[in-house]
Amino acid sequence: GEDVEQSLFLSVREGDSSVINCTYTDSSSTYLYWYKQEPGAGLQLLTYIFSNMDMKQDQRLTVLLNKKDKHLSLRIADTQTGDSAIYFCAENDQAGTALIFGKGTTLSVSS
Amino acid sequence: GAVVSQHPSRVICKSGTSVKIECRSLDFQATTMFWYRQFPKKSLMLMATSNEGSKATYEQGVEKDKFLINHASLTLSTLTVTSAHPEDSSFYICSARGQLAGVQETQYFGPGTRLLVL
Repeated sequence: GEDVEQSLFLSVREGDSSVINCTYTDSSSTYLYWYKQEPGAGLQLLTYIFSNMDMKQDQRLTVLLNKKDKHLSLRIADTQTGDSAIYFCAENDQAGTALIFGKGTTLSVSS
Repeated sequence: GAVVSQHPSRVICKSGTSVKIECRSLDFQATTMFWYRQFPKKSLMLMATSNEGSKATYEQGVEKDKFLINHASLTLSTLTVTSAHPEDSSFYICSARGQLAGVQETQYFGPGTRLLVL
């Protein structure tokens, strides 16, 4: 079945870049997503990338996709304390409807 | 602003009672809504997929008689936890699949409902 793996924790200093990595198994996923969850809140869609793209940049966010290795990464430039949250990567399930999530990477930003 | 709302945001109930959670898409019509459950320090687990006007499709291991889902309109889906027990305490998140102007169709998530069963 589909599976999405992420490292669980990342700690960075304010102003540094953060890189959150994710691997997935379903090569038929059309889109891959990054969601952000702040404490006690729901999920916020940060960005997504179409499976035929290698890279997508959106302000401080850069998404890199290596489809051959089924590896997805999210880079946050100039990380701020407000970026502290749990970041989930997700892929579509085989039916292409529901999302399959990784366990989430907790990003801790210290000043 | 929020495009998917959930109500209530928090609920505490006694064991054995039923709790209804509403999920509404605010700016678009959602033919498909999803219900997820999030355990502490765990990822989101898909519980069921709900299509407007038809029966929900439940994931393996999810009791359909315990977690009743109704998707009566294109903007509203409800999850009823029947005869709730303490092990049902969790964070329940709905999402609605739809397309906002200028944005690829994707899932928009509600803010979640924290259920505590005493």
